[in-house]
Amino acid sequence: SQTIHQWPATLVQPVGSPLSLECTVEGTSNPNLYWYRQAAGRGLQLLFYSVGIGQISSEVPQNLSASRPQDRQFILSSKKLLLSDSGFYLCAWSVSDPPLFGPGTRLTVL
Amino acid sequence: DQQVKQNSPSLSVQEGRISILNCDYTNSMFDYFLWYKKYPAEGPTFLISISSIKDKNEDGRFTVFLNKSAKHLSLHIVPSQPGDSAVYFCAASGGAGGTSYGKLTFGQGTILTVHP
Repeated sequence: SQTIHQWPATLVQPVGSPLSLECTVEGTSNPNLYWYRQAAGRGLQLLFYSVGIGQISSEVPQNLSASRPQDRQFILSSKKLLLSDSGFYLCAWSVSDPPLFGPGTRLTVL
Repeated sequence: DQQVKQNSPSLSVQEGRISILNCDYTNSMFDYFLWYKKYPAEGPTFLISISSIKDKNEDGRFTVFLNKSAKHLSLHIVPSQPGDSAVYFCAASGGAGGTSYGKLTFGQGTILTVHP
């Protein structure tokens, strides 16, 4: 069965510090991978998606970047965090079915 | 520009009764719609979807209705159970298959509370 992992589950970081969030998928090959963010009181917003290793598309201009070094690994990064980067970050994957979401990472930037 | 809107932030229903959650969209290119259920501090869980070629899709206690002319969809839960209490998100995409499947535009969510 397919499983999606995200870590860490929670993170508190100071403004200006770097960020690295990781997502891995098990039980499938060549999935489409997605990063979403849910800001407080808002719906989910698509940040990045990837159709293969090294292929990243950005949906919104922002302070973040994404990378896909391996087929089933998706990383969200920032060199310097802003207060506005706080939120709940969700990784999702799909192949031929509606996207399934990981458990999420709660990021608080202070 | 909010392309998918859930105008009711919350809904309270008695156990056993029907819950109706509504969603409106503005983008005519959307042709695939989904509902997700989300508990606090967890990722959303897929519930049910509908393609624009249909006007109804049913799965157990959950039924989604699509009115393309009104650009409106609704999720009916019958009968409602206390375990259904969660945030429900409506989402839309430009089509099923390929990357479009996962490129979703979400509404703001509706908090459903089902009282015993």
